[in-house]
Amino acid sequence: GALVYQYPRRTICKSGTSMRMECQAVGFQATSVAWYRQSPQKTFELIALSTVNSAIKYEQNFTQEKFPISHPNLSFSSMTVLNAYLEDRGLYLCGARPNQDTQYFGPGTRLLVL
Amino acid sequence: GEKVEQHESTLSVREGDSAVINCTYTDTASSYFPWYKQEAGKGLHFVIDIRSNVDRKQSQRLIVLLDKKAKRFSLHITATQPEDSAIYFCAASRNSGYNKLTFGKGTVLLVSP
Repeated sequence: GALVYQYPRRTICKSGTSMRMECQAVGFQATSVAWYRQSPQKTFELIALSTVNSAIKYEQNFTQEKFPISHPNLSFSSMTVLNAYLEDRGLYLCGARPNQDTQYFGPGTRLLVL
Repeated sequence: GEKVEQHESTLSVREGDSAVINCTYTDTASSYFPWYKQEAGKGLHFVIDIRSNVDRKQSQRLIVLLDKKAKRFSLHITATQPEDSAIYFCAASRNSGYNKLTFGKGTVLLVSP
């Protein structure tokens, strides 16, 4: 079946430092990868959408300079949170699509900023 | 842009009863409506989806209804079980392709034995 793994599952970083999170699609080729954030007490916001053979598209309020994303092949994507501050804490989800069908999400990387 | 409103923030039912969660959306171009479940401390688990070419879809105990005129869709969980307890999120997108999902704020469903 289709599975999406994320690593790490939980991480703590000091304010102003950066952390990288990874997403791996297993059992299918992720032609599209979307990164979402769930901030405390909030719903899921799209950060950016990466589609193979297209430029990565960032949503308003999120930039490549702050959340650089790599999508080098059809099974792997990574995103870095640069200069993390308190407002960046939350659950970061990676959603991967095998085609124009259902989007499968990983378990998320929970980021705590001290 | 699209806004998705999830009307019930919490819902408590007794085991065996039905639970209904309602969502509305604003973008008339939205055509794909998935539902996800989040258990405590975990990510999103796909539950069921419906596309705009149908107005009803059922998968075992789950029924999704879509009213395009009213821009409303709902998740019906029949014969609820305690393990159905979780946060349920509705979402909408313009198609089932690569467009972004806009999520509702979630409904906490509690099924008591």
